[in-house]
Amino acid sequence: AQSVTQLGSHVSVSEGALVLLRCNYSSSVPPYLFWYVQYPNQGLQLLLKYTSAATLVKGINGFEAEFKKSETSFHLTKPSAHMSDAAEYFCAVSEIQGAQKLVFGQGTRLTINP
Amino acid sequence: DVKVTQSSRYLVKRTGEKVFLECVQDMDHENMFWYRQDPGLGLRLIYFSYDVKMKEKGDIPEGYSVSREKKERFSLILESASTNQTSMYLCASSLAFEKLFFGSGTQLSVL
Repeated sequence: AQSVTQLGSHVSVSEGALVLLRCNYSSSVPPYLFWYVQYPNQGLQLLLKYTSAATLVKGINGFEAEFKKSETSFHLTKPSAHMSDAAEYFCAVSEIQGAQKLVFGQGTRLTINP
Repeated sequence: DVKVTQSSRYLVKRTGEKVFLECVQDMDHENMFWYRQDPGLGLRLIYFSYDVKMKEKGDIPEGYSVSREKKERFSLILESASTNQTSMYLCASSLAFEKLFFGSGTQLSVL
């Protein structure tokens, strides 16, 4: 069965600094990988997804993630943090293409310091 | 714009009560999902449905049931609410292999 581990439940960076949120997955078949973001008092929304095309995936709001099969990782990065990036971020994996049954990580809360 | 609507933002119920959480989507999506979100545990899948009247158990179905009589509506039922079911409940919908669209969530407190 697939699983996801997000390293660090809280990450704090200064405005303008690099954002790096770590995600490692376990899957017995080639996975589909996703990053979702949850702003306060809102549901989750998709940031980006990897579906076996390019290993470097670009998403919304300047975020990108790189699929590294050898490291079973799908870390999320943004070169320069903005105050509006403060939110909770979830990595997710799916092995089933049809109904897209996702398994989510524990979440990482990102705080941006002025 | 795409919309998944959950009927209540906050709900307070007593132990032993039967609780209904309603979710409606306006996108004609085949798939609908119920997740619960707890701090430090992320989102865990309770049930999902890929068609009207079809349902499948997720990872934590115990104590819950679901109903999907119409394509746009997916209900989560707590037959006899317990305090360990206090949580944030999130509904989502999707097409075959498109992104999930989430509602804003229902924060349920069982006293």
